[in-house]
Amino acid sequence: EIVLTQSPGTLSLSPGERATLSCRASQNLRSSSLAWYQQKPGQAPRILMYGASSRATGIPDRFSGSGSGTDFTLTISRLEPEDFAVYYCQQYGGSPPSFGGGTKVENK
Amino acid sequence: EVQLLESGGDLVQPGGSLRLSCAASGFTFSTYASSWVRQAPGKGLEWVSSISAGGDYTYYADSVKDRFIISRDNSKNTLYLQMSSLRVEDTAVYYCAKRPAGAGVYFEYWGQGTLVTVSS
Repeated sequence: EIVLTQSPGTLSLSPGERATLSCRASQNLRSSSLAWYQQKPGQAPRILMYGASSRATGIPDRFSGSGSGTDFTLTISRLEPEDFAVYYCQQYGGSPPSFGGGTKVENK
Repeated sequence: EVQLLESGGDLVQPGGSLRLSCAASGFTFSTYASSWVRQAPGKGLEWVSSISAGGDYTYYADSVKDRFIISRDNSKNTLYLQMSSLRVEDTAVYYCAKRPAGAGVYFEYWGQGTLVTVSS
């Protein structure tokens, strides 16, 4: 099973700042098979990115994804108030699919 | 608009059984694979099970294998999860999720979730 490690656990930033979230896989992910999700309290997760760098429908372009192999990054170029949430990465290059432990982006 | 509506969550004793349902609308349900993902209180996300579009192929996490059964009724646009021999550690919000077209096992749309509590 592929283990995903997200860092940092918590990111304290202010609106307008840049957020950089990391996701490291225990094995190479073929075809950059990595997705990112955002989850707000009491809500279901929402997909942000798939294929490491493709934005899902309706996701604003301040969100971007990059990386390949074992190291992946989600960047939020300028934080908006609605971006404070928990973010999860998920790999689907190996079986079973697995999630990282999450990074909480909190308002400083 | 894609909608997924889970139901069936409840309080159940350890060793008990429960069936979750997920009613899908807004897309051609029978042409997309579906999955269940759960989230224990205050914890992260865990993939539970997936089923192919036609229902021919099913997959399970080791933690639920031989206890849970995923199925679907494409005539009713409904996904199911039959849960048996429930354990305290199965307590979680259970989400149904629509997979995208193609082979990628990621989750394009999610329902709002249904809470399963296993406790004596």
